[in-house]
Amino acid sequence: DGGITQSPKYLFRKEGQNVTLSCEQNLNHDAMYWYRQDPGQGLRLIYYSQIVNDFQKGDIAEGYSVSREKKESFPLTVTSAQKNPTAFYLCASSKWGSTEAFFGQGTRLTVV
Amino acid sequence: QKEVEQNSGPLSVPEGAIASLNCTYSDRGSQSFFWYRQYSGKSPELIMFIYSNGDKEDGRFTAQLNKASQYVSLLIRDSQPSDSATYLCAVNQGSDQGAQKLVFGQGTRLTINP
Repeated sequence: DGGITQSPKYLFRKEGQNVTLSCEQNLNHDAMYWYRQDPGQGLRLIYYSQIVNDFQKGDIAEGYSVSREKKESFPLTVTSAQKNPTAFYLCASSKWGSTEAFFGQGTRLTVV
Repeated sequence: QKEVEQNSGPLSVPEGAIASLNCTYSDRGSQSFFWYRQYSGKSPELIMFIYSNGDKEDGRFTAQLNKASQYVSLLIRDSQPSDSATYLCAVNQGSDQGAQKLVFGQGTRLTINP
């Protein structure tokens, strides 16, 4: 089945640690996005990528890093520089020239 | 001013009535507009998109776009309890790098009362 897979579903991190969230899609979509959602809030854009080996900062990129080495994959690293990383992280993808974005199931990150 | 604004609600509507959700956006160059539904603890799912001024209907849902007023709305007819969710408005915006990004509003929480 085609879709977007995020893993893990739940992730616990100790303060000061870097963690990487996985996002894989087999929809042959060109564009991929990472969003953060805090309780009762909308989605805020962290990073986005239109093509392989290229990505742009969104509105809240500080403390995060990404890579786009393969079309199918867009991992997000939450670094120790991110002051308040506890949130619901959502990955999305869309076709080139279209921004009908489809979402993965999300990763809920908690700092302990 | 936020790029995409929605009334956070909650909006309470009786079952069978019409629910009306509104969204305004700041970037006049925006070309594409989307409505997502998000149930609590779940990821958003696309329910409507609209590119041209006017109305677009799909079943019980109607999206309305007015680019001159920078306004998008979603109407849900014959509201059902299963429509209770948060509705997110999203707008496609061009960036100075040539790429396009999808920007979301904060969402409106809708409750349908039986």
